[in-house]
Amino acid sequence: DVKVTQSSRYLVKRTGEKVFLECVQDMDHENMFWYRQDPGLGLRLIYFSYDVKMKEKGDIPEGYSVSREKKERFSLILESASTNQTSMYLCASSLLPGASYNEQFFGPGTRLTVL
Amino acid sequence: QQQVKQSPQSLIVQKGGISIINCAYENTAFDYFPWYQQFPGKGPALLIAIRPDVSEKKEGRFTISFNKSAKQFSLHIMDSQPGDSATYFCAASGEGGSTLGRLYFGRGTQLTVWP
Repeated sequence: DVKVTQSSRYLVKRTGEKVFLECVQDMDHENMFWYRQDPGLGLRLIYFSYDVKMKEKGDIPEGYSVSREKKERFSLILESASTNQTSMYLCASSLLPGASYNEQFFGPGTRLTVL
Repeated sequence: QQQVKQSPQSLIVQKGGISIINCAYENTAFDYFPWYQQFPGKGPALLIAIRPDVSEKKEGRFTISFNKSAKQFSLHIMDSQPGDSATYFCAASGEGGSTLGRLYFGRGTQLTVWP
């Protein structure tokens, strides 16, 4: 079974804090993705990575950065958390970059609240 | 701009009825159209997918209808059951370096099936 795990299910942080969200996949997938999910806005891609140390901006990268030092791990970083970053964050992985017929496997999500 | 447009935002169906969710796209380079299903507290999971060389794909009670000329595709859930109550996302993807295997998601449809 493909497994994508996220470090926390719930997280509460203060405005201005640096926040790390960790994601690990155990299927040797090349691609990894970070999305945020908000009611009425669906899944919006923040960043993705198709290889170690490679990253590509998604549709809403402002205020976020990412790190992929190892193939199985993809971290999302909020350099200075703001209240408008309160959201559900979902990590996903898929097998091959550049191929469209790629099932994405999602983690359970981290609900982040920034106070 | 939004690459995939999904409607309706919410849908209420009686048990045993047919649920229909519609999506439209503009990018003719898209060649893979999956639907994802998300239950509360879980990440989305692939439900069914279609490629544009066929006009319909059926898996059990779930059917995708695809209209290439209209650039539209839809999910039909026959004999809808309360266990089908979930959020459904359509998506699209295209092969090639410009997309790197990313999916473009619709905004989601919250389906409620009343017993």
